[in-house]
Order: sequence, then C-alpha cells, then structure tokens
Amino acid sequence: KAGVTQTPRYLIKTRGQQVTLSCSPISGHRSVSWYQQTPGQGLQFLFEYFSETQRNKGNFPGRFSGRQFSNSRSEMNVSTLELGDSALYLCASSYQPGQETQYFGPGTRLLVL
Amino acid sequence: EDQVTQSPEALRLQEGESSSLNCSYTVSGLRGLFWYRQDPGKGPEFLFTLYSAGEEKEKERLKATLTKKESFLHITAPKPEDSATYLCAVQAGTGNQFYFGTGTSLTVIP
Repeated sequence: KAGVTQTPRYLIKTRGQQVTLSCSPISGHRSVSWYQQTPGQGLQFLFEYFSETQRNKGNFPGRFSGRQFSNSRSEMNVSTLELGDSALYLCASSYQPGQETQYFGPGTRLLVL
Repeated sequence: EDQVTQSPEALRLQEGESSSLNCSYTVSGLRGLFWYRQDPGKGPEFLFTLYSAGEEKEKERLKATLTKKESFLHITAPKPEDSATYLCAVQAGTGNQFYFGTGTSLTVIP
C-alpha cells in the first residue's frame, strides 16, 4: 500500500508570496493532519481534516489555511509568506480521528527568502 | 497546559551501549502515546503506540513502556543505523489532538 505522498518536496518563495502544498493520504485513510516542523519548536500542529471538515486547529495565524477534498486529499495554503514560515511541513493521515496512529509523509521543505 | 517533554535532547552512545530515552507528559484525557523515529530530511516513521499504564511494546532493539506520567524508549545494544531523532507524541483532550515533544537526537558511534 502506498504511503502518504506530499508535493512538492522542496519550494523556494519570497516574502509576501503565497504557497499551496498538497497531501495525498494512504488509501482508505480519511483523516489528514498538517504540522509545521522547525529546529527550535519541533512539530507544531496546524489543523486536522476529516470528511472534508476541519476538526481541529492549532495556534497559527489566519494566513495558514487548509481544505480537504472528497477523495481525502488535502491542501494547505499559506498567504503573505514571512521569513519565519520557513520550515518542513508534514502531513499525516489516519483512518479516522480518535485513537488512531498517524502515518507521516516525507514533508515539503519550504524556504522563504 | 498540555505539555510533552523529552530528555535528553541529545544522546551519544557507543555501539552496544544500552540506554533509555524519556518522554514525560502533562495532559488531561490521554488517549494514546506514540513513538516515532525521524531521519534527517524525512518524515517521522511510526514505531509504537501505547494506550495504558503498564503496557509495553517491542520491536527489534527497541522497547517502549508507559506509566501514568511518562514513557521510556529503551534501546538495547544499539547499532549505528539506530542513529536518528526519536519523537514522542501524546493524543489527548476533547479534540483528540496530538502534542509532540521536541525529540531526542541519538547518535550511535561504531
């Protein structure tokens, strides 16, 4: 069974631009979560989607948004990029929210110049 | 405030030198505790899930244990290929959100 896939793997943007990242969960998984990972902060939870609905949201500004499609694929968008948004963005999927193990994708490395 | 703390931040071991990594947590309504391994530039790889105090899971040279306030990841006779960052996460609260520690960076020297 194919794992979680994320595209693109690497991205370079400049301040003020916006970016869209994509995540395809493991087949059959309907829950998708997004995390930001930086050296100093570790993994910080962004949001979680299940059945096209946002279930949880972390403490990030409104510039960070996401959505989920009927096939469970998910996208996250960051508008008006700032230097501090440079990070590894990880997507994780599970069958459903609750007492379920999350499986991570390889991440998208975003560099904001 | 829900919190997950891992110690030590970094650990250097000689090949074959056993040790333990610690993950302590202060959360309400623990649903599960998860251990992941992360290699540089890659996403975390799932290792174990523990649900209740007293539970233990083993995989090759790794053994995870859980008490009411902390979890240990024991590494027996480690090899250089065990070098990685080990992450601990807890799922808790009414929203079943995941909270991650900042990880322990393990280096095993041949």
